[in-house]
Amino acid sequence: EDQVTQSPEALRLQEGESSSLNCSYTVSGLRGLFWYRQDPGKGPEFLFTLYSAGEEKEKERLKATLTKKESFLHITAPKPEDSATYLCAVQPAGRRALTFGSGTRLQVQP
Amino acid sequence: GAVVSQHPSWVICKSGTSVKIECRSLDFQATTMFWYRQFPKQSLMLMATSNEGSKATYEQGVEKDKFLINHASLTLSTLTVTSAHPEDSSFYICSARDWGEGSYEQYFGPGTRLTVT
Repeated sequence: EDQVTQSPEALRLQEGESSSLNCSYTVSGLRGLFWYRQDPGKGPEFLFTLYSAGEEKEKERLKATLTKKESFLHITAPKPEDSATYLCAVQPAGRRALTFGSGTRLQVQP
Repeated sequence: GAVVSQHPSWVICKSGTSVKIECRSLDFQATTMFWYRQFPKQSLMLMATSNEGSKATYEQGVEKDKFLINHASLTLSTLTVTSAHPEDSSFYICSARDWGEGSYEQYFGPGTRLTVT
């Protein structure tokens, strides 16, 4: 069974304090791994797609990396506006829908 | 990125009534759309896959007669919650994949908050 586990469940950082969020996955053939940001009461906002181990993508203060078993979302010098829930999802081969992890709630304090 | 809209953004209805939620892809065509529900502080749970011109595919445990899905065109899918009960109160989110970009990205709508009284 496909499984996505995110850690930590919640993370509180001071502004400027860099950190990483983890997404471990077990899937029968990975077509893609996705990172989304979700603000309270809103739909997920697309951040990155990673397709193969070793791939990295960056956007502003965020950098996503992928290995054969996990993905990391690195946040460099975060700002309070980075506070949100970050969701990781996988698309298994042969399936069109995504399987989501439970998310990491990030709070960045000024 | 591609834009997906949902209507309404929130709705309150009485127990026993039906509610229709619309999901539209605004700047691309989507042969496949997905419907999720999300409970407070929980992640997204896939309910069904909506296929343009054919029947939806429901996940195990989701009642197809209660959650009616219609994908009438390449830009519109609707979810109708029939005979709603308080336990159906949730945040419903749709997503669509933009095949035109040649990638697997799925874009999500802003969600619909359903409250059944």
